[in-house]
Amino acid sequence: DTEVTQTPKHLVMGMTNKKSLKCEQHMGHRAMYWYKQKAKKPPELMFVYSYEKLSINESVPSRFSPECPNSSLLNLHLHALQPEDSALYLCASSPGIRVSGDYNEQFFGPGTRLTVL
Amino acid sequence: GQNIDQPTEMTATEGAIVQINCTYQTSGFNGLFWYQQHAGEAPTFLSYNVLDGLEEKGRFSSFLSRSKGYSYLLLKELQMKDSASYLCAVSSETMTARQLTFGSGTQLTVLP
Repeated sequence: DTEVTQTPKHLVMGMTNKKSLKCEQHMGHRAMYWYKQKAKKPPELMFVYSYEKLSINESVPSRFSPECPNSSLLNLHLHALQPEDSALYLCASSPGIRVSGDYNEQFFGPGTRLTVL
Repeated sequence: GQNIDQPTEMTATEGAIVQINCTYQTSGFNGLFWYQQHAGEAPTFLSYNVLDGLEEKGRFSSFLSRSKGYSYLLLKELQMKDSASYLCAVSSETMTARQLTFGSGTQLTVLP
């Protein structure tokens, strides 16, 4: 299995809603990532989990809350979002930073298209 | 910090060769990736360079010069399906994780 899956594919939410995005991989990868991508822009890194610990938080507002329950799962909890948070949210995974001989290719999931009304 | 530059748009003809350039300034350099992204889809891996030189993979080749902070992606025998955004991404390593920083992408249009 060389796939990263994300659910849901599309999400529409109001500014007072609470929702969660889910990401799963079964490649034994130990690093997982959340990116935000606006139209015609490159992916922007939000969070990195390395061995289930949050290792990078790129100054993301607290209305985005990541969670890594185990090495296969990554969640992004959303609360009180703003319309400007509407974007494609991409999850990615890679083998990990201390794997010998590994060049750490990141495998991307298909993304969740989020619209905040 | 990271600074990655690549052209915004390029156009080429089916069957031709196109070269997409990328220049970067970064600390903790740990390799350079090229990804292809079709509209509305996730990026897919094309190539990786960590040492200077050319890596060839079928119709795609990628080159790196670390001393010049320069890379290019070469696409041969262009096909219509190659119309996509091509993202140059620099990998850097901190104490706890590696991370990718993406350039703004080059939108390639292949014309018949």
